[in-house]
Amino acid sequence: EDQVTQSPEALRLQEGESSSLNCSYTVSGLRGLFWYRQDPGKGPEFLFTLYSAGEEKEKERLKATLTKKESFLHITAPKPEDSATYLCAVQSSGSRLTFGEGTQLTVNP
Amino acid sequence: GAGVSQSPSNKVTEKGKDVELRCDPISGHTALYWYRQSLGQGLEFLIYFQGNSAPDKSGLPSDRFSAERTGGSVSTLTIQRTQQEDSAVYLCASSLAAAGGGETQYFGPGTRLLVL
Repeated sequence: EDQVTQSPEALRLQEGESSSLNCSYTVSGLRGLFWYRQDPGKGPEFLFTLYSAGEEKEKERLKATLTKKESFLHITAPKPEDSATYLCAVQSSGSRLTFGEGTQLTVNP
Repeated sequence: GAGVSQSPSNKVTEKGKDVELRCDPISGHTALYWYRQSLGQGLEFLIYFQGNSAPDKSGLPSDRFSAERTGGSVSTLTIQRTQQEDSAVYLCASSLAAAGGGETQYFGPGTRLLVL
């Protein structure tokens, strides 16, 4: 059974203070690891897909990396508008995504 | 272009009533998924459609839950005899293809269901 654990559960940063979110996973065969952003009262918004260990993707202040056991979402010089819940999910043999419980990020001005 | 849309956005019902939730996927997306997000919990898979067929409905929590898809497009999730524990946000997603190929799933805004 696929398992995803995200840490920390909550993270509070000052504007400009860089940090990383962790996603540890256990799957039988990884087809893809996905990062989403979810704002209160909205559906998850797609950020990145990573397929193999060593892969990295960047978008604005966000950079996602992947190893065989975990993924990191690095946030460089965050702004208050980066405040959201960040969700990690994996896809293995089936088509379903298995999600972690998310990291709630708050960036204070 | 238009994303995944869901209706209604909010639904309040009484225990024991039936509810229908609707999902319109992104045009051209052949795969459609339903997930449930309960307060304080992660997203939980319910069912997946490829075209009008449902190869994986193992996530449906009980026989009170059913779903169908018609014309390879719109899907309806029906919950019969609703219970208070059915209160959650029901999210729909779609992707270009499926079969575990790592395709990105794009989510709609969700339907917030409250069972009194």
